[in-house]
Amino acid sequence: KQEVTQIPAALSVPEGENLVLNCSFTDSAIYNLQWFRQDPGKGLTSLLLIQSSQREQTSGRLNASLDKSSGRSTLYIAASQPGDSATYLCAVDNYGQNFVFGPGTRLSVLP
Amino acid sequence: EAGVVQSPRYKIIEKKQPVAFWCNPISGHNTLYWYLQNLGQGPELLIRYENEEAVDDSQLPKDRFSAERLKGVDSTLKIQPAELGDSAVYLCASSLDGGQNTGELFFGEGSRLTVL
Repeated sequence: KQEVTQIPAALSVPEGENLVLNCSFTDSAIYNLQWFRQDPGKGLTSLLLIQSSQREQTSGRLNASLDKSSGRSTLYIAASQPGDSATYLCAVDNYGQNFVFGPGTRLSVLP
Repeated sequence: EAGVVQSPRYKIIEKKQPVAFWCNPISGHNTLYWYLQNLGQGPELLIRYENEEAVDDSQLPKDRFSAERLKGVDSTLKIQPAELGDSAVYLCASSLDGGQNTGELFFGEGSRLTVL
């Protein structure tokens, strides 16, 4: 059974810092991996989708990498801003069967 | 283009009462998901539809939960009767899938249920 963990559970940084969020999964036989952002009381907003043939994706200040063999993905946020404060979740696609989610990392960026 | 639409956004009911949630996916998306999210946790799959067929309902508590996706477009998730432990956020998501590859997942705003 696929299990997804995210470290750290919570993170507080001053504005302007670069930061890395980690996602680990137990079964490396996956197709895609997707990173989401969730604001309090809201649904999940898609940030980046890394497809099976890709190793990384970039969007603005966000960069996500995927290493299937080690069961890891990282989300890099450059020059963090208070507006980046949210919970970040990763989800792995088990061979098109289902997306399994991690518990999320709660990020606070202090002005 | 409209995103995934869910209603109601909030629902408060007493235990043993029925409740229903509605979801309209992104136009053209063939796959629809219902997820349950408890506070501080990631979403957990309840049921997945490909068009009008439920292809994965293994995590749906079938004694009290039911779902349908008539005509392969919008969907309804029902709980009857509701229990205190059902208090959570019910999220609907959709994707455009091809073959065995799951496309990018898009979520609605969720329906927050409180059972008193």
